[in-house]
Amino acid sequence: GNSVTQMEGPVTLSEEAFLTINCTYTATGYPSLFWYVQYPGEGLQLLLKATKADDKGSNKGFEATYRKETTSFHLEKGSVQVSDSAVYFCALSGWGYQKVTFGTGTKLQVIP
Amino acid sequence: DAGVIQSPRHEVTEMGQEVTLRCKPISGHDYLFWYRQTMMRGLELLIYFNNNVPIDDSGMPEDRFSAKMPNASFSTLKIQPSEPRDSAVYFCASSSAGTSGVRYEQYFGPGTRLTVT
Repeated sequence: GNSVTQMEGPVTLSEEAFLTINCTYTATGYPSLFWYVQYPGEGLQLLLKATKADDKGSNKGFEATYRKETTSFHLEKGSVQVSDSAVYFCALSGWGYQKVTFGTGTKLQVIP
Repeated sequence: DAGVIQSPRHEVTEMGQEVTLRCKPISGHDYLFWYRQTMMRGLELLIYFNNNVPIDDSGMPEDRFSAKMPNASFSTLKIQPSEPRDSAVYFCASSSAGTSGVRYEQYFGPGTRLTVT
């Protein structure tokens, strides 16, 4: 079955530091890959997505590249802000398949 | 456009009572999902519907839980009787097949925080 493994948190960074959150997946075929973000007290919201190998998803300064050879979709940001403090979920869905498989989430705390 | 709407936002109830959570999906979306989130178990898919029909309820923890979708704009998740271990945040999400038939992102509501004492 499909599965997603992401690095455990919490991750604590100083403002303007570089962020990497690792994510690897197991799936048959060619899944679509996502990063969702959950701010305190809110539901999850889509941050970025990639639908085929070598695609790069980007949004709000965050980037992730779909690497089929390493089955990875690592999230990066060059300079984090306090407002980026949240929980980040890596996720995937199979081709034409509605269910989304979520990772366990990584909590990011950015301190001034 | 309004997003996914859930009510109530907070619910506190005593063990043994019936609890009903409500969800209004985004207009035009044909898939609806119910999730539960706890610190211990993370985000769990309970059940999902397609065109108001339940497709997969394998995540429903036990018979005390039931979900319905009487029409395209409304769904309920009911717990009867409730127990303290049901305390969690319950999310509703919806999505659309789109013109290509390939489904992607889900849109989440703000959640209902349930506390059973």
